[in-house]
Amino acid sequence: EVQLVESGGGLVQPGGSLRLSCAASGFTFSSYWMSWVRQAPGKGLEWVANIRQDGNEIYYVDSVKGRFTISRDNTKNSFYLQMNSLRAEDTAVYYCATGDSYNPEFDPWGQGTLVTVSS
Amino acid sequence: QSVLTQPPSASGTPGQRVTISCSGSRSSIGSNHVYWYQQLPGTAPRLLIYRDNQRPSGVPDRFSGSKSGISASLAISGLRSEDEADYYCAAWDDSLRGAVFGGGTKLTVL
Repeated sequence: EVQLVESGGGLVQPGGSLRLSCAASGFTFSSYWMSWVRQAPGKGLEWVANIRQDGNEIYYVDSVKGRFTISRDNTKNSFYLQMNSLRAEDTAVYYCATGDSYNPEFDPWGQGTLVTVSS
Repeated sequence: QSVLTQPPSASGTPGQRVTISCSGSRSSIGSNHVYWYQQLPGTAPRLLIYRDNQRPSGVPDRFSGSKSGISASLAISGLRSEDEADYYCAAWDDSLRGAVFGGGTKLTVL
């Protein structure tokens, strides 16, 4: 069974850092692009970043450039989102998702992990 | 303000056909495939349509997608109560060099 499991969410103060992880199983992780998508409370979906199979092609939404870093470890079937200089507007459920290109063809998705940025 | 524009709400009665529109630009929908997602309350989104009009296995053929120019549509025929959900369109945007979503459409089955 294809499965994605996020972890690492929690409460953090503005300006703080958090590292999200996504563990994959049930498919050949190293063959797929991986993405992070977030959803603020009561709001719509927002793509955050994605990373190519070999990690050498990466894209970010403008609002997180310079603050967030996406990475992956194919030996551990996992990928990550290092979030620095967090702001209140980063508060959201963060989903990890997989696809076979940079296109937003996300299937499947993880269950999501909540990040709350508040003092 | 989302890059892709969807109506905030739509509704229909059981058995009806409903369409949800998604408007973009030349650099998004005009140049790339469109994807549609269904999100039931409290759950992660689910891929409904990929590459404009393809259905993943397990998605009923009541759901169909189309694209023309810089706009796309999701049609749901034979509306059922379990179709009540939020629906999102998505596409890659060549100018932004990133993926973009529509603001979402809340479908109510009356």
